[in-house]
Amino acid sequence: KQEVTQIPAALSVPEGENLVLNCSFTDSAIYNLQWFRQDPGKGLTSLLLIQSSQREQTSGRLNASLDKSSGRSTLYIAASQPGDSATYLCAVQGSGSRLTFGEGTQLTVNP
Amino acid sequence: DVKVTQSSRYLVKRTGEKVFLECVQDMDHENMFWYRQDPGLGLRLIYFSYDVKMKEKGDIPEGYSVSREKKERFSLILESASTNQTSMYLCASSLPGKTYEQYFGPGTRLTVT
Repeated sequence: KQEVTQIPAALSVPEGENLVLNCSFTDSAIYNLQWFRQDPGKGLTSLLLIQSSQREQTSGRLNASLDKSSGRSTLYIAASQPGDSATYLCAVQGSGSRLTFGEGTQLTVNP
Repeated sequence: DVKVTQSSRYLVKRTGEKVFLECVQDMDHENMFWYRQDPGLGLRLIYFSYDVKMKEKGDIPEGYSVSREKKERFSLILESASTNQTSMYLCASSLPGKTYEQYFGPGTRLTVT
């Protein structure tokens, strides 16, 4: 059974810092990995999708990498801003029609 | 603008009550999903449906049932609510073959007292 773990569970940084969120998964037989953002009391918004054949994806200040063989992904956020404060979740899709989510990292960026 | 709506943002029910959580999507998606989200546990799949009247158990179906009579509507039913079902419930939908492209509703925070 696939298990997804995210480290750290919570992170507080001053504005302007570059930061890295980590995601690991136990079964490397995945189709893709996705990073989501969740604002308090709201649903999830997809940030970046990495297909299993890809190594990274970039969108603005966000960069996600995937090392399928080692079961790891990182989300890099450059020059963090208070508006980046949210919970970040990673999810992997295996052979079935379902996603397996990590526990999330709660990020606070202080002005 | 695509939309997934959930009938209530906040709900308080008593132990033993029958509870219905409703989800409606306007994107003509075949796939619909119900998750619960708890601190430290992330999102866990309860049930999903890949077509009208079709359903499949997720990872934690115990204590729940679902109904999908129309394509746009997917209901989660708690036959006899218990305090350990206090949680945030999230609904999502997607096209077939595009499970990675799920659109999420805002969630229903259910408290069972």
